[in-house]
Amino acid sequence: QSALTQPPSASGSPGQSVTISCTGTSSDVGGYNYVSWYQQYPGKAPKLMIYEVTKRPSGVPDRFSGSKSGNTASLTVSGLQAEDEADYYCSSYAGSNNLRVFGGGTKLTVL
Amino acid sequence: EVQLVESGGGLVKPGGSLRLSCAASGFTFSSYSMNWVRQAPGKGLEWVSSIISTGNYIYYTDSVKGRFTISRDNAKNSLFLQMNSLRAEDTAVYYCARDLVVGISGDFGYWGQGTLVTVSS
Repeated sequence: QSALTQPPSASGSPGQSVTISCTGTSSDVGGYNYVSWYQQYPGKAPKLMIYEVTKRPSGVPDRFSGSKSGNTASLTVSGLQAEDEADYYCSSYAGSNNLRVFGGGTKLTVL
Repeated sequence: EVQLVESGGGLVKPGGSLRLSCAASGFTFSSYSMNWVRQAPGKGLEWVSSIISTGNYIYYTDSVKGRFTISRDNAKNSLFLQMNSLRAEDTAVYYCARDLVVGISGDFGYWGQGTLVTVSS
C-alpha cells in the first residue's frame, strides 16, 4: 500500500480539464510545501512535471498546474491532448527519516 | 545535456548481492544530491535512497535499511547502490535520479533509463 492515495484512473476528452488528487497526512502532504508530480509513459522513465506544489520545470507546458489544500494535493491538466495519456505519480517530502513518499499512480486516459 | 546511465542489474538469487552503478555526465556531479528510485513490475514508484552532494548525509527507505548502501565517487561522476541480502520483493527497475536543483530537494528532475534487478531462485 502506497503512502499517498491517488485514484487509479482518470479520464477526459481532448480539450477538457482533468484533476488528479493525491491524499496524504499532516506528516507529508499537509505538513510541507514539497509535493511533486511525475508523468510516466509505458516503459519509459518518469518526468518531473510539477515541484514544490505549484512550480513547473523548464519545458513543461503551462497546461499542467498544481495546488494543495490541507492534506490533499492536486494536479490539473487543462486543454487535454492525446499525448497527455500516461501514468501520473505524486510525491511528497515526509520528514528526515522518510525523505520522499509516492502515491500509487493514476492512469490518465484521453478519450 | 544531463545524462544518467545505470548499469549492474541482472538476475540474482534470494540472499545474494548486486552493485548498481550510475554514470553521470553533462553537469557538475559534485554539486547535486543523487537518488535511487525503484519500480516493481506493473507497480508504482518507490523512493529507495538519497545521498547529498558531499556524501555526508545519506537516507534510506525503511525496507532497505541495513541491506542497501548508497555511495558516490565525485571524482568519477558516479553513483552506486550496493544491495545485499536481496529479497524477491526487491525485484524492480532501479532508476538513478538527480535532484532538480543544487541542495537536497527530493524533486527528481533528471532520470536514467533504469536497470532491471530480478531476485529469483
